[in-house]
Parts: sequence; C-alpha cells; structure tokens
Amino acid sequence: KQEVTQIPAALSVPEGENLVLNCSFTDSAIYNLQWFRQDPGKGLTSLLLIQSSQREQTSGRLNASLDKSSGRSTLYIAASQPGDSATYLCAASRGSTLGRLYFGRGTQLTVWP
Amino acid sequence: DGGITQSPKYLFRKEGQNVTLSCEQNLNHDAMYWYRQDPGQGLRLIYYSQIVNDFQKGDIAEGYSVSREKKESFPLTVTSAQKNPTAFYLCASSIVGRQSNQPQHFGDGTRLSIL
Repeated sequence: KQEVTQIPAALSVPEGENLVLNCSFTDSAIYNLQWFRQDPGKGLTSLLLIQSSQREQTSGRLNASLDKSSGRSTLYIAASQPGDSATYLCAASRGSTLGRLYFGRGTQLTVWP
Repeated sequence: DGGITQSPKYLFRKEGQNVTLSCEQNLNHDAMYWYRQDPGQGLRLIYYSQIVNDFQKGDIAEGYSVSREKKESFPLTVTSAQKNPTAFYLCASSIVGRQSNQPQHFGDGTRLSIL
C-alpha cells in the first residue's frame, strides 16, 4: 500500500515569500505524482502532474519536482499572494493500480497581505 | 464546458435511511472514483470503476454501494450500515491507460450530515 505524508500540515506567511511544500511517499513504483489545490468547501483543482519518467513540471509561479529514489516531491510557490491561500494536496498513483491515487493530508497555506 | 456535476451539494440522512449521491461527467472519461474526506484528513477511496458495469472496492467500501450502468454516471449509495457517514464526498474521473498523463478531474462535492 502507498503511504503519502505532507509536511508541514499548516503554513502561514506574508505576501511575497517563496514557499516549499513537501510530500513523501513510501512506494517508489509510482506512475505519476499529482499536486492539487482545494479551496474551503470545494473540490480539488489539478495544479501539476509529474510522470514517473520526469523530474519536474512548471506552471506559472508553481514548480513541482519528483525524486523517486528518495520518495519525495516538492511544490515550490514563487512570490506568494493572498489568492494562493488554500489547502494543497499531493497524490501518488501506483503503477500496479492504474489511475488510483493515494492522497496525503494536505498543507493548509495562508498568505497574508 | 466539460466537467463533473455532483448533486445535491448538501444532504441529510436520518437514522436507518439509505441516501444516494449523484455524480455525472461529460468528459468522456472511462474511469470514475468516489472519495471520502474528513476534517484534516486526506481523501480516502471508497469505490472506483474503470469501465461500465465493473467497479472495485477501495480502502473504505464497507457501508457503501455503487453502480456503473452508464459511462457518464457513477452514483454512490450510503447505506444504513455506514455508522459514521458524516463527511465530504468527492467524485472524480480520469482517462485510463498507461500512456495517460492527464490528471483526475473532481466535482465540487456533496456534504452529508446526520439528522
């Protein structure tokens, strides 16, 4: 079974800071690693997906990296803004169960003006 | 616009009652999933289906049932056997296949509470 852990559980920073959110997983036989954003009372919005053959993906101010050998992924947010405030979830898809995702508990991010 | 529609947004269950949560997608995705989310917790998989008329149990299937009669629809029934049903329920869909580099798409969820 895949266990996914996210650190820190919560983070509160002033606007403009660069942030790193961490995700670790126990089974390196992943198919892909996905980062999602969840606003209160809402569903999940996909941010970045890194396939197992890739090392990183970038979208705007977001950059996600993947190191399968160490079982880690990081989400880097540059120049944070109050609109980035949300819960960020990472999820690993195991190669043996196509499409099924294993989620961490998330990092709750607050960016204050 | 393509997407996933979950209804109702809020649902209340009485003691001993079965309730059904609706999930419809128009993304032409083969796979659909039901997750449960409790406060401060990650998502836990209840059931998933990769093709019509077939589905598999996830990690917490006890007290739940599903059907997949149409590609677009994957309703979840919370039965009276589920003793702690209060949670936020999320439906998702995705393309199936090893060549897929597409993420799962999620609906906006249904919040179920006990009366």
